[in-house]
Amino acid sequence: GENVEQHPSTLSVQEGDSAVIKCTYSDSASNYFPWYKQELGKRPQLIIDIRSNVGEKKDQRIAVTLNKTAKHFSLHITETQPEDSAVYFCAASSVFGPGTRLSVLP
Amino acid sequence: GAVVSQHPSRVICKSGTSVKIECRSLDFQATTMFWYRQFPKQSLMLMATSNEGSKATYEQGVEKDKFLINHASLTLSTLTVTSAHPEDSSFYICSAARVLLILTTEAFFGQGTRLTVV
Repeated sequence: GENVEQHPSTLSVQEGDSAVIKCTYSDSASNYFPWYKQELGKRPQLIIDIRSNVGEKKDQRIAVTLNKTAKHFSLHITETQPEDSAVYFCAASSVFGPGTRLSVLP
Repeated sequence: GAVVSQHPSRVICKSGTSVKIECRSLDFQATTMFWYRQFPKQSLMLMATSNEGSKATYEQGVEKDKFLINHASLTLSTLTVTSAHPEDSSFYICSAARVLLILTTEAFFGQGTRLTVV
């Protein structure tokens, strides 16, 4: 079955800096890669996703890149703000990575 | 985005009893529903995948007789934790998926259910 790895597990950045979270997956048949943001005590919220026929997608301060050959994809957050602090999960189809706790320091 | 409603949000039950959790897609038909379990400060662990009208597919290590999943319609799936024990205490969360394009789906999460077994 699918196996998803995610790095780093924790990430602290200064407000205004960029944050990058990377994920790898094992099943080459996976074709949908969503990213979720989960704030404490709340459900995961889809923030951006990418499909296998696209190499990059951007939505305001958030971008995701996908390299199907290498089976890895990344989340990029620019101009980080304190409200970006949360746990971020990548997923390959329905299997989640272990999560990254992002802290944006004012 | 689409709305997925999960109930109850919190439940406390006695050891040995059963608890049913409902997951409803309110404004779309969910071809597939997923059930996850999340321990504190950990990721979401996929328990099972269910398609409407067919038996759920359970992940390795998940007891299908303990975690009964029913997906009777395209808008409702239920998870029943049978003979609950304290170690079953956890955050259970469902997601409902709809097909956007061939072989691609988009999933939305319910609010989650915090189960405490005493």
